Amino acid sequence: DGGITQSPKYLFRKEGQNVTLSCEQNLNHDAMYWYRQDPGQGLRLIYYSQIVNDFQKGDIAEGYSVSREKKESFPLTVTSAQKNPTAFYLCASNGLSGDITDTQYFGPGTRLTVL
Amino acid sequence: GNSVTQMEGPVTLSEEAFLTINCTYTATGYPSLFWYVQYPGEGLQLLLKATKADDKGSNKGFEATYRKETTSFHLEKGSVQVSDSAVYFCALRLGTSGSRLTFGEGTQLTVNP
Repeated sequence: DGGITQSPKYLFRKEGQNVTLSCEQNLNHDAMYWYRQDPGQGLRLIYYSQIVNDFQKGDIAEGYSVSREKKESFPLTVTSAQKNPTAFYLCASNGLSGDITDTQYFGPGTRLTVL
Repeated sequence: GNSVTQMEGPVTLSEEAFLTINCTYTATGYPSLFWYVQYPGEGLQLLLKATKADDKGSNKGFEATYRKETTSFHLEKGSVQVSDSAVYFCALRLGTSGSRLTFGEGTQLTVNP
């Protein structure tokens, strides 16, 4: 089955700790994205990557870091500098065919709670 | 800048009622438009899309028509079911497949039996 895997589904961390959220896709997509979702708000883009070893900041990159060492993987690290990290994090991917009908596919999400 | 505005929720309907969720957009060009659905505790799933003016996207009884003159992409369904209870997101994308999506705030729909 092709798709996007995020692990773990629930994650707890103590204040002041860094934590890494996993995102893996087997759709052979070039582009990958990280979004943050807070209650009553839409999705806000954290980082995105269109090619291995390259990524760009989204709208709310402060306190987050990413890497893209492999096409299928795009891990997100929530650092201790992120002031309000408790949220639902969604990973997505997209082909880069240049076709405007291509769509973005989402993983099941990771709910991060800072204790 | 580019933005998407959805009608405020939550929306509560009885089963078999007619559903409309309004979505309007502001964009510097001609965007592609999308509706995504999120069931509790899950990621987003694409519900339908339209890539040019007057296109109608449809799926699972839901429909939305791309109206350039009113910059709108309202979601409709003639008869909702309890299983349609979810959060619905309207989104736009300028450019081709690698471009980023801009989302609305989401609208919570609850359908009661």
